[in-house]
Amino acid sequence: GEDVEQSLFLSVREGDSSVINCTYTDSSSTYLYWYKQEPGAGLQLLTYIFSNMDMKQDQRLTVLLNKKDKHLSLRIADTQTGDSAIYFCAETRGTYKYIFGTGTRLKVLA
Amino acid sequence: GAVVSQHPSWVICKSGTSVKIECRSLDFQATTMFWYRQFPKQSLMLMATSNEGSKATYEQGVEKDKFLINHASLTLSTLTVTSAHPEDSSFYICSARGTLQETQYFGPGTRLLVL
Repeated sequence: GEDVEQSLFLSVREGDSSVINCTYTDSSSTYLYWYKQEPGAGLQLLTYIFSNMDMKQDQRLTVLLNKKDKHLSLRIADTQTGDSAIYFCAETRGTYKYIFGTGTRLKVLA
Repeated sequence: GAVVSQHPSWVICKSGTSVKIECRSLDFQATTMFWYRQFPKQSLMLMATSNEGSKATYEQGVEKDKFLINHASLTLSTLTVTSAHPEDSSFYICSARGTLQETQYFGPGTRLLVL
């Protein structure tokens, strides 16, 4: 399909790991991004991965990329209540154009 | 680095009036700026792409006469919602990227409410 898809909700306990999944559509995407949006705010760039990489780790964040299946995931280790937000993946389509996923609302339970 | 601001952060206006939203790149020159719209609990939808000094490219279904975009300098783009109606109420977010940059940096958004 045309849509970049994510599961709508994820609930985890504080201290556990969170895994947010994304299925994208354009196999020629150069970069794939993860953004975080807190209520009423803009988007904060969390991390990105270049399309020729399988994995990227940045402190508590690990991005896995499966190009064959067009599957991207974001793992947050030791999830904290401050991680509660909506997480968007984005693929690049054409020249510098982003197509955003549907967003996953992460709720961290204390 | 790579800070993008928007002004105003929220605005309430009467139906039929026009509203201008500014997007500024504070610490880099933005070759390209993007305008997005986000409805409650939904994803961001790209409205238009603007390159400094040229006309904006609008996405399918976005009325260019309704949403006027000006990108007159490398640090400023404006979105004017003309003759606003209640259905234009939304969260408008801009982003900017510099020359040779792939990554877009987002502003904090402007919430528009049209009464």
